[in-house]
Amino acid sequence: AQKVTQAQTEISVVEKEDVTLDCVYETRDTTYYLFWYKQPPSGELVFLIRRNSFDEQNEISGRYSWNFQKSTSSFNFTITASQVVDSAVYFCALSEIKAAGNKLTFGGGTRVLVKP
Amino acid sequence: GAGVSQSPSNKVTEKGKDVELRCDPISGHTALYWYRQSLGQGLEFLIYFQGNSAPDKSGLPSDRFSAERTGGSVSTLTIQRTQQEDSAVYLCASSLGNDQPQHFGDGTRLSIL
Repeated sequence: AQKVTQAQTEISVVEKEDVTLDCVYETRDTTYYLFWYKQPPSGELVFLIRRNSFDEQNEISGRYSWNFQKSTSSFNFTITASQVVDSAVYFCALSEIKAAGNKLTFGGGTRVLVKP
Repeated sequence: GAGVSQSPSNKVTEKGKDVELRCDPISGHTALYWYRQSLGQGLEFLIYFQGNSAPDKSGLPSDRFSAERTGGSVSTLTIQRTQQEDSAVYLCASSLGNDQPQHFGDGTRLSIL
């Protein structure tokens, strides 16, 4: 069975601070996808990134960066120089890679509060 | 709009009533998923549709839950004889193919009195 753990339930920072969100996963599959989604107060889930399990290159997109370490089954997410608009709940998710759909297993989410 | 559209955005109903929730996926997206987000259970997969293939119903919590997808586009999730534990936000997602990232709608907030 697959499992995603986000140990941090809530993180509060002051604007311009960096914040790192932890994600640890469990799966028996040798190939899989990892995701991060953002859920702002408005409620919709916004896709941020997908990583394939055989691509361990770290990725940077603007103020966002992701650190994938297969050896520790972790896929951490860092927001650099946080802004108030980054306040949201962030979900890490995992899916198998299969022909019949990639249903997502989500972590419990980390609520990030960025104070001005 | 260009995104996944769900209706209604909010639904309040009495225990025991049936409800129907609707999802319009992004045009051209062949894969469609339903998830449920509740305080106690977090985000859970319910059901998946891909083209004309048989749906993956492995996440449906009971036989009171069913879903269909007509014409490979719009999907309806039906909950019969609603119970208070069905109260949750029901999220629909679609993807260009079964191997593409899923894009979510705003959800339907269901409250059972």
